[in-house]
Amino acid sequence: DGGITQSPKYLFRKEGQNVTLSCEQNLNHDAMYWYRQDPGQGLRLIYYSQIVNDFQKGDIAEGYSVSREKKESFPLTVTSAQKNPTAFYLCASSGRRNILSNQPQHFGDGTRLSIL
Amino acid sequence: AQSVTQLDSHVSVSEGTPVLLRCNYSSSYSPSLFWYVQHPNKGLQLLLKYTSAATLVKGINGFEAEFKKSETSFHLTKPSAHMSDAAEYFCVVSDTAGGTSYGKLTFGQGTILTVHP
Repeated sequence: DGGITQSPKYLFRKEGQNVTLSCEQNLNHDAMYWYRQDPGQGLRLIYYSQIVNDFQKGDIAEGYSVSREKKESFPLTVTSAQKNPTAFYLCASSGRRNILSNQPQHFGDGTRLSIL
Repeated sequence: AQSVTQLDSHVSVSEGTPVLLRCNYSSSYSPSLFWYVQHPNKGLQLLLKYTSAATLVKGINGFEAEFKKSETSFHLTKPSAHMSDAAEYFCVVSDTAGGTSYGKLTFGQGTILTVHP
């Protein structure tokens, strides 16, 4: 079955440590996204990528970095510069929009990051 | 600019009664609108989408939503709630402006639906 796989499901970070969250999709989607979800705040966009080797900052990119070396993969690194990294992180992907509408995004099951 | 307002942070219903989750949006361009559902510690699952075709949109699990341009609303309804419908629901707007292949999504704050036996 096609889908998006995020790993690990739970992740713990020590102070001053960088951690990388994995996101892999086999939907052959061009675009991929990373969101952060905090209680009562909906989803906020961190980074997105429309094509391999290209990505753009979203609304809350500070303290995060990404790469897009392969179409299927879009890993997110939470750096030590991110002062409040505890959150639920969701990866999504979508097909290319057509002239009439935008394509819906498909989501992984998320990674919950906590600080030790 | 676009925005989404979900008018209720919590909705509680009894099993077998109707569900109404309210959503108002603003968008400078012809919007695409979506409803997603999220169960605890899970990702978001698409319930339905409006993309300028029929204004009444039918989705999965018996949900439907009606696009009302004059009221800038996209409320989600279901005739009869089931215990398995208990979850958080997000209304999402995406405008079709710009020349990119990516339409930025703007999420509402979410509505938690509780279903009582």
